[in-house]
Amino acid sequence: DIQMTQSPSTLSASVGDRVTITCRASQNLNSWLAWYQQKPGRAPKLLIYKASILDSGVPSRFSGSGSGTDFTLTISSLQPDDSATYYCQQYTYLWTFGQGTKVEF
Amino acid sequence: QVQLQESGPGLVKPSGTLSLTCAVSGGSINSNDWWTWVRQPPGKGLEWIGEIHRSGSTNYNASLNSRVTISADKSENQFSLELTSVTAADTAVYYCATKDSSGFYWGQGTLVTVSS
Repeated sequence: DIQMTQSPSTLSASVGDRVTITCRASQNLNSWLAWYQQKPGRAPKLLIYKASILDSGVPSRFSGSGSGTDFTLTISSLQPDDSATYYCQQYTYLWTFGQGTKVEF
Repeated sequence: QVQLQESGPGLVKPSGTLSLTCAVSGGSINSNDWWTWVRQPPGKGLEWIGEIHRSGSTNYNASLNSRVTISADKSENQFSLELTSVTAADTAVYYCATKDSSGFYWGQGTLVTVSS
C-alpha cells in the first residue's frame, strides 16, 4: 500500500501569509496527486489534480508543485475563507489520503 | 459534468449491514473507469473503502476486505456499498466519488450512525 505523510498537522497563520503544506509518498506517484479543501460539514472540495493543475473556479492563490514522492500545496496570500482542513490524495494505485492539515488563524 | 448523490439508512444496528446507493446523473456509469466509496469518521480523516470498474471488477481496502461489497446497476445508473457486521467504529460520513481526465467528483456525503 502507498502511505501518505502530510505535514504539518496544524498550521496557525495570519491573513496575507504565504502558507505551505507538504505531502510525502512512500512510493513514486509520478504526478498522480490531488489536493482538497474541506470545511466542517462539507464534502472535500478539489483544489488541484495531477500535482499542479488548478481545478476550475479555484482561486489562483492556490498552487501545487512536486512529482515523484514529494509534493507541496502553497497558498500565496492566505484569506479568511481559507480556514479549513487540507488533504492530499494519491491516485497512482487505488487512493490514499494524507492525515490532513488544519489551517487556522 | 457528472453529479453523485448518496442515499440509504442513517442508522444501522450493531452487527447489522450498512447499505448505501450512489445515484449517478449528468453522465453514464459507463463513462468513467472507476467508481469509489470513501468514508470519514466524525472528527477524523478520509479513508478509501473501495472501488468498482465499469467492467465490474473491484478493489477493496484490505482493512475492510472481508466485510465490504461494491456493486453496480448499469440499468439504474448507480452503484452501491454493503458493509457487514458493523460496529460503532463504522460510524462515519460516507461519500461516493469518481474521476475522469478533468478531475474528481464527489457526492455531498451521508452520515451513517451505528447504534442500537
